[in-house]
Amino acid sequence: DAGITQSPRHKVTETGTPVTLRCHQTENHRYMYWYRQDPGHGLRLIHYSYGVKDTDKGEVSDGYSVSRSKTEDFLLTLESATSSQTSVYFCAISESSPAHQFGPGTRLTVT
Amino acid sequence: AQKVTQAQTEISVVEKEDVTLDCVYETRDTTYYLFWYKQPPSGELVFLIRRNSFDEQNEISGRYSWNFQKSTSSFNFTITASQVVDSAVYFCALSDFNAGNMLTFGGGTRLMVKP
Repeated sequence: DAGITQSPRHKVTETGTPVTLRCHQTENHRYMYWYRQDPGHGLRLIHYSYGVKDTDKGEVSDGYSVSRSKTEDFLLTLESATSSQTSVYFCAISESSPAHQFGPGTRLTVT
Repeated sequence: AQKVTQAQTEISVVEKEDVTLDCVYETRDTTYYLFWYKQPPSGELVFLIRRNSFDEQNEISGRYSWNFQKSTSSFNFTITASQVVDSAVYFCALSDFNAGNMLTFGGGTRLMVKP
């Protein structure tokens, strides 16, 4: 089994609709992250979590919220999707070292 | 604030050529980690190397080598005798031993290796 999975892998949604992306890990790692990947920008941190119910903002957090009610799950919510949130979203995990293990990514298109 | 710059957005080489991908970083911290990740056309992110700021030794792994120079804040990546399978986007990243282990990425370099 993959150590980190994301669902859905692809999603097309309309502007103004809520969207939730799920990240699930089986590694029991403490830290979980959401990054977005856009051309020319590399990956940018949206939010991260350092434990159950402990989260903090990253560089590009506006328009996004997160929740972590269990060690293994980290949810990213777009309350009202906008076209600027069309992107590829990666979840990642880490433990004591900052070396990240990344999920397969979710391609989100907001029309 | 941290910053990672990969000035080469795209590089095209012919198979068997050597190629160097540049990475320049900025940080106020004296202790930090540097990373390289590979993103092949299939889209996943593959960890290649981690280097901490205490260790300036160059590293070689097969056809891959990395040159870390604190004096110029650079962590360059060289592929020797490139192959078509090396075609990918390569990202350099920095982490400053922060509490959250977050990474700051460069914009990436797309490497195209032609047969």
